[in-house]
Amino acid sequence: QSALTQPASVSGSPGQSITISCTGTSSDVGGYNYVSWYQQHPGKAPKLMIYDVSNRPSGVSSRFFGSKSGNTASLTISGLQAEDEADYYCSSYTSSSTWVFGGGTKLTVL
Amino acid sequence: EVQLVESGGGLVQPGGSLRLSCAASGFTFSNYWIHWVRQAPGKGLVWVSLINTDGSITRYADSVKGRFTISRDNAKNTLFMQMNSLRAEDTAVYYCVRDTNRHMDVWGKGATVTVSS
Repeated sequence: QSALTQPASVSGSPGQSITISCTGTSSDVGGYNYVSWYQQHPGKAPKLMIYDVSNRPSGVSSRFFGSKSGNTASLTISGLQAEDEADYYCSSYTSSSTWVFGGGTKLTVL
Repeated sequence: EVQLVESGGGLVQPGGSLRLSCAASGFTFSNYWIHWVRQAPGKGLVWVSLINTDGSITRYADSVKGRFTISRDNAKNTLFMQMNSLRAEDTAVYYCVRDTNRHMDVWGKGATVTVSS
């Protein structure tokens, strides 16, 4: 049950685009289309942003885009806004019928 | 409003026990799998456990297997986590989370568990 690998931090200026990667194995990210992404602001509970690799829940901005290639999933945020500054976590269902999270990525909007 | 509200957190000595509860409202609790996810201070999210709709299937992270027990009472719309043999590394905010088709779509605000002497 090793954590998925995410960069510790990414940054971008308002209006720019950034991409956060999430690397796992064929037993999790690569084996299932059950990758999801969560946004967490300081002191708050996480919020679902993307599910099933690329689907957005109702109410989530279309600036958030999810994708996957092999064992790596990605979250792209376009048109960065100050309110996007937060921690982002990926998660995947696994072959052991458990779930695993990434270590988290801190997004800084410059 | 769809809501999950955790309770039962607190300070406990190493080796002690604690029982967390999670009260669900605004949806048909018995139709959903439910997770526990924890977050140690300043650290990332870690999946802890899952229970299916009728409690017949449970899953645990290796770090808590044999020490934690997840259960539910559908008549009372409540989820539980019995935590025994607690260790300092179990100190965290514990979130109760609804699962919809293998993604976590509704999160509680969390309950804080501190294991310290």
